[in-house]
Amino acid sequence: DVKVTQSSRYLVKRTGEKVFLECVQDMDHENMFWYRQDPGLGLRLIYFSYDVKMKEKGDIPEGYSVSREKKERFSLILESASTNQTSMYLCASSSGTAFGANVLTFGAGSRLTVL
Amino acid sequence: DAKTTQPTSMDCAEGRAANLPCNHSTISGNEYVYWYRQIHSQGPQYIIHGLKNNETNEMASLIITEDRKSSTLILPHATLRDTAVYYCIVRVFNDYKLSFGAGTTVTVRA
Repeated sequence: DVKVTQSSRYLVKRTGEKVFLECVQDMDHENMFWYRQDPGLGLRLIYFSYDVKMKEKGDIPEGYSVSREKKERFSLILESASTNQTSMYLCASSSGTAFGANVLTFGAGSRLTVL
Repeated sequence: DAKTTQPTSMDCAEGRAANLPCNHSTISGNEYVYWYRQIHSQGPQYIIHGLKNNETNEMASLIITEDRKSSTLILPHATLRDTAVYYCIVRVFNDYKLSFGAGTTVTVRA
């Protein structure tokens, strides 16, 4: 019954490495999102996409990029990982219908540690 | 966006109803109230949303005051598995940028 799948549950990377976080949804949703969650800061939106090849910046896009080449897949890219990007990363999706846009289905999360 | 205020934490007895309050005194006419919860080590889960009428689904009930300045999420028969952080969010229905604040940490005790 898994609907939003994040490729890695735990990752450990070194400073300066390029990191790819992959997310796949099987609900044919138009919208996809990447959040990060840190203690005391809640969930913060990094990027979202409302269609293939379309993307918009969220509240904290600096240091990140995204790619959406297929409807079901949304990738978050850290071009040069830094220690302050150590966090829990959460992918989500929602339908493109007017009333479904804010009903998000989340993945289980990817915990990234940058050493 | 309308700001929401929730208690930091609350306890609830297993089997009893859990009433989770949320204040949103600056809510505008086209903003909905959404509730999500996040169980430890999982991603947030959508619970329910509403505009002005009370809403009920298989998970919970949402009661919105007539002036829409506050709402209450009701878990009718809390179980230990309902222990989670509960988020109240106010947003225009087709605005993608949902913001999750600190929420209320609900602990259901046996």
